[in-house]
Amino acid sequence: AQTVTQSQPEMSVQEAETVTLSCTYDTSESDYYLFWYKQPPSRQMILVIRQEAYKQQNATENRFSVNFQKAAKSFSLKISDSQLGDAAMYFCAYRSVGNAGNMLTFGGGTRLMVKP
Amino acid sequence: NAGVTQTPKFQVLKTGQSMTLQCAQDMNHEYMSWYRQDPGMGLRLIHYSVGAGITDQGEVPNGYNVSRSTTEDFPLRLLSAAPSQTSVYFCASSLWGEKLFFGSGTQLSVL
Repeated sequence: AQTVTQSQPEMSVQEAETVTLSCTYDTSESDYYLFWYKQPPSRQMILVIRQEAYKQQNATENRFSVNFQKAAKSFSLKISDSQLGDAAMYFCAYRSVGNAGNMLTFGGGTRLMVKP
Repeated sequence: NAGVTQTPKFQVLKTGQSMTLQCAQDMNHEYMSWYRQDPGMGLRLIHYSVGAGITDQGEVPNGYNVSRSTTEDFPLRLLSAAPSQTSVYFCASSLWGEKLFFGSGTQLSVL
């Protein structure tokens, strides 16, 4: 079974600065997907970014980018030019390619605080 | 387009009571699933379905039942609520291989 670990329960960043959230995972599979989800106080789960393991290029979505290190099984999220609206819980998640139920395995989450 | 709709948003139960959390989606997604979210543990899969009439267990299925009689609906039943089932419950749906759409969650407290 796959496991996902987020070792930083809380992080804080100054507005307009850059922060990196860490995620490591354990799997024996060679092909899979990795995700970062944002959960603001509204509780809604919002997909931030997705990475396919077979792609060497790191995914980018506007101010959000990842550092995907397949050999190290590491998948960190970098948020540039942090904004107050970025304050939320962030979850790293894993999904197998052949996953019959399209199921996700989540990490425990990192609470990001943004200071004005 | 309503997406994934969960009801109720909040519920308080007494130990031993039963209830059903409702989940409906209007996107014709074949895949639906239920997760629970506990503090510090992220989301964990309870049950999932790959189509009408087909369900299977996830990581933490004990104490929960599901059925999928239609593509649109995937209710989660608590037969005899326990304090350990106090949690936030999320329903999600998707097409195969595509992103998951989550409902807004149900906060359940069992006293």
